[in-house]
Amino acid sequence: NAGVTQTPKFQVLKTGQSMTLQCAQDMNHEYMSWYRQDPGMGLRLIHYSVGAGITDQGEVPNGYNVSRSTTEDFPLRLLSAAPSQTSVYFCASNSRAYSGTSGTDTQYFGPGTRLTVL
Amino acid sequence: DAKTTQPTSMDCAEGRAANLPCNHSTISGNEYVYWYRQIHSQGPQYIIHGLKNNETNEMASLIITEDRKSSTLILPHATLRDTAVYYCIVRAAPNAGGTSYGKLTFGQGTILTVHP
Repeated sequence: NAGVTQTPKFQVLKTGQSMTLQCAQDMNHEYMSWYRQDPGMGLRLIHYSVGAGITDQGEVPNGYNVSRSTTEDFPLRLLSAAPSQTSVYFCASNSRAYSGTSGTDTQYFGPGTRLTVL
Repeated sequence: DAKTTQPTSMDCAEGRAANLPCNHSTISGNEYVYWYRQIHSQGPQYIIHGLKNNETNEMASLIITEDRKSSTLILPHATLRDTAVYYCIVRAAPNAGGTSYGKLTFGQGTILTVHP
């Protein structure tokens, strides 16, 4: 299994440009999430999905759109990039399956996309 | 999800045990304690989690106090590769339902530096 993959690894945009960050997982996980991490900060949730066709907002959704047409893919779209969106973006997935009350729902993270908006 | 408090940074000598504390005094009965770590520039990595009993796996041990208001992550023999930011996260169990499932709330974490 490749796990969670993200493309591109690095991207530079100009203010106002649009782009899509790609995320894919091959573990058949129902849940997928997008986080951003600013320098010296913890991760903040942007959007998440509990299954194909179902998405919801996290802490910092403004300026980002998502869709989930398949179980495997969860792209993040920036419609009009702003310098405030300069960050490292991480995609994660986890399975809804768990063993009784064990709470076993480990999130697996991708390697990240480093985005700079000029 | 309950808020956690961790020291900003800690040091540890290579080969010694690293004990990372976490306070979560407002934890609810159905909330688990999770630990993740993030090695420089990489995505976070799951380490261990627990509800009320102490837990051990191949990476670490988790000690949770009887009142569940605090916990300690123990790396028994720290190596230079354990240098990372360690995050203590409290969240509801998956079977609690609601919108918290799948979401992790990251704080600032503890920067652990392992010295030769």
